[in-house]
Amino acid sequence: AQSVTQPDIHITVSEGASLELRCNYSYGATPYLFWYVQSPGQGLQLLLKYFSGDTLVQGIKGFEAEFKRSQSSFNLRKPSVHWSDAAEYFCAVAGGTSYGKLTFGQGTILTVHP
Amino acid sequence: ETGVTQTPRHLVMGMTNKKSLKCEQHLGHNAMYWYKQSAKKPLELMFVYNFKEQTENNSVPSRFSPECPNSSHLFLHLHTLQPEDSALYLCASSQDLITRNSPLHFGNGTRLTVT
Repeated sequence: AQSVTQPDIHITVSEGASLELRCNYSYGATPYLFWYVQSPGQGLQLLLKYFSGDTLVQGIKGFEAEFKRSQSSFNLRKPSVHWSDAAEYFCAVAGGTSYGKLTFGQGTILTVHP
Repeated sequence: ETGVTQTPRHLVMGMTNKKSLKCEQHLGHNAMYWYKQSAKKPLELMFVYNFKEQTENNSVPSRFSPECPNSSHLFLHLHTLQPEDSALYLCASSQDLITRNSPLHFGNGTRLTVT
């Protein structure tokens, strides 16, 4: 069975600083990986996804993520954080060919200081 | 506007009540899902419907009863719930279960409190 670990429960950065959110997955075959963001009182919005090909994927809102098979990681990055990026971020993996049945990590809460 | 609408946004119910959560998607998708988001726990997949047929029940207690009358609507019927069932219930949809370029689209959820 697949699993996802987000080691950081809470991260605080200053506005304008760079950001990296960590995600490690466990899955026996080629994983399909996703990052979602959830603002308070809202559902989850897809930031980006990786299925195959280029291991550096670009998403919305200036986010990118890099798939590293050797490290079983799919870390999310942004070069300069904006106050509006404060939210909770979830990494997820889909196993097999059922792209909708996701296993989520516990989430990382991002706080942005002015 | 997410394309996936959930009602009500908030629901408080006693343990002996019966209530229903509603989800409607306007995206032309064929797969719909219920996820449960509890505090300090990862999102948990509860049920999956594909072309109105239930394809997955992730060991969910029978006090939760899903219904999918058509590909655009999904319900979650609740009865004799427990306080630990208090959570945010998220509905999601996707094109189907196998189309790669169609990830999940989530609604804003129903915040359920069981008293």
